[in-house]
Amino acid sequence: GAVVSQHPSRVICKSGTSVKIECRSLDFQATTMFWYRQFPKQSLMLMATSNEGSKATYEQGVEKDKFLINHASLTLSTLTVTSAHPEDSSFYICSARLAGGVNEQFFGPGTRLTVL
Amino acid sequence: ILNVEQSPQSLHVQEGDSTNFTCSFPSSNFYALHWYRWETAKSPEALFVMTLNGDEKKKGRISATLNTKEGYSYLYIKGSQPEDSATYLCASTSGTYKYIFGTGTRLKVLA
Repeated sequence: GAVVSQHPSRVICKSGTSVKIECRSLDFQATTMFWYRQFPKQSLMLMATSNEGSKATYEQGVEKDKFLINHASLTLSTLTVTSAHPEDSSFYICSARLAGGVNEQFFGPGTRLTVL
Repeated sequence: ILNVEQSPQSLHVQEGDSTNFTCSFPSSNFYALHWYRWETAKSPEALFVMTLNGDEKKKGRISATLNTKEGYSYLYIKGSQPEDSATYLCASTSGTYKYIFGTGTRLKVLA
């Protein structure tokens, strides 16, 4: 149980285009999902918290107009990198929170974005 | 500002060796410590969630301990196998649901 999928696993795009990444909880409902970014040799850094049916909460320094998050259902959150530039190239990974207890998070496999 | 540190960054061990890694975290406002095992191209796999000082958890050959007063957790692997090769991540939470991750320990077990 508690499986999270993420699609695509890898994407290469031209500068100026937009890229959408999907995160799905396959066997549980997730009212809260999270989006992280990891640069080489650094830790996973929280970008934003996505709540079903409401606006996402962004961490300091993360541009909300650049990284659009939609959490339209209890099993799906999407991250759209708008007008991508080479500096947006990174590894993006989502997680879904299992409510109750110690609020454990279950992670997708991540998406490697390369912007040319 | 929370800062979670893991050491060593990487290590190579021979099959059959036992090994351990460290996760250090701020002890103030501590809520929970999470350990994950992360293989390349796969989802991080939850290993342990630890909340109480002195907690010890075990799953097969892997175990973990927690010291919340001094702010550290140890992960132990007994009799390492090649399939144990992965990055081991720890994350601390401090009363909110937000995870603060360390940079991970990359383990390579040589056959």
